Amino acid sequence: KNQVEQSPQSLIILEGKNCTLQCNYTVSPFSNLRWYKQDTGRGPVSLTIMTFSENTKSNGRYTATLDADTKQSSLHITASQLSDSASYICVVDSGYALNFGKGTSLLVTP
Amino acid sequence: KAGVTQTPRYLIKTRGQQVTLSCSPISGHRSVSWYQQTPGQGLQFLFEYFSETQRNKGNFPGRFSGRQFSNSRSEMNVSTLELGDSALYLCASSSGGTSGREETQYFGPGTRLLVL
Repeated sequence: KNQVEQSPQSLIILEGKNCTLQCNYTVSPFSNLRWYKQDTGRGPVSLTIMTFSENTKSNGRYTATLDADTKQSSLHITASQLSDSASYICVVDSGYALNFGKGTSLLVTP
Repeated sequence: KAGVTQTPRYLIKTRGQQVTLSCSPISGHRSVSWYQQTPGQGLQFLFEYFSETQRNKGNFPGRFSGRQFSNSRSEMNVSTLELGDSALYLCASSSGGTSGREETQYFGPGTRLLVL
């Protein structure tokens, strides 16, 4: 069964600190993996899209990694800001269907 | 460029009724996808339309249907509403090129539906 598991479910960090969110998947075949940021009350915003051949991709302070062998991805946030408080959703595309994780809720506190 | 717009933003219906939600994609985008988001299930894919044709479909019952017009605007219809249909319905647009699947999708703010 195709599954996408994200951890932790929620996370609280101090402003300025770094953090890493995890995404493990069992989806097969694999087309691409996406990370989205969703602020409360808004639609998701795409952060990165990675294909099989890409093992790291950055978007400002966000860096995503992909290990297609172990079927793991991570999203690293550097020097967190209050505006990073949001839900982060990992999505794995099999080429036939999109498989969604349930998200990690991140709270950045002053 | 204007972003993806969805109307209405909020809606309250009762069980058994039907509802139609509307989505206007970013100008020039030809692909529109619909998603349902609930606290328990997270985001789930409903269907995708490209050039007025349904290109992909998720695992939802036939009560959920959609269509796309020649101007790429899309509507989603849910008939015989159930309490469990209460959710945030999001639409996303992309240019919908030949592969389509590695493109960035741009989401609208969603329509929050409450079924009583």
